Amino acid sequence: DVKVTQSSRYLVKRTGEKVFLECVQDMDHENMFWYRQDPGLGLRLIYFSYDVKMKEKGDIPEGYSVSREKKERFSLILESASTNQTSMYLCASSPGTRGSYEQYFGPGTRLTVT
Amino acid sequence: GESVGLHLPTLSVQEGDNSIINCAYSNSASDYFIWYKQESGKGPQFIIDIRSNMDKRQGQRVTVLLNKTVKHLSLQIAATQPGDSAVYFCAENTGGFKTIFGAGTRLFVKA
Repeated sequence: DVKVTQSSRYLVKRTGEKVFLECVQDMDHENMFWYRQDPGLGLRLIYFSYDVKMKEKGDIPEGYSVSREKKERFSLILESASTNQTSMYLCASSPGTRGSYEQYFGPGTRLTVT
Repeated sequence: GESVGLHLPTLSVQEGDNSIINCAYSNSASDYFIWYKQESGKGPQFIIDIRSNMDKRQGQRVTVLLNKTVKHLSLQIAATQPGDSAVYFCAENTGGFKTIFGAGTRLFVKA
């Protein structure tokens, strides 16, 4: 079974703090993604990576950065957390094989910024 | 613009009945569609997919129908069970890295 794990299920941070969300996948997938999920808005793509050290902006990258130093690990960084970044954050991975677009998701990290 | 939307945000069905969850998409270039199920406290999980060269695909108790003429996608769940209670997302992909997700429909199954 594909397994995508996220470092924390729940996280509470203060405004202005730097926040690190870690994601690890064990299936040697090429592609990794970070989404945020808000009620009524579905999943919105923040960043994705298709290879080590490669990253591309998604639809809402502002206020976020990412790091992919190893194939299995993709980190999301909030440089200076703000209350509007309170959300559920989902990490996903998918194979690099063309035509294989199914994504495997982690359990999510619910981040609250106070 | 590109969007994937759902007609009904909430659906309530009786256990044993069939469920139909609908989805509209606007990008005619999308060639791959996926349904995901998200249970409380978990990440979305793949249910079934369909390519644009098909109009129907069946899985175990689930069927996806694609109507490209009206850009409509539906997920049918046969003999709905309490374990089917979840939020269901449709998603579309144009063959690249980016998948666009709908807002989701919450399915309640009444015992």
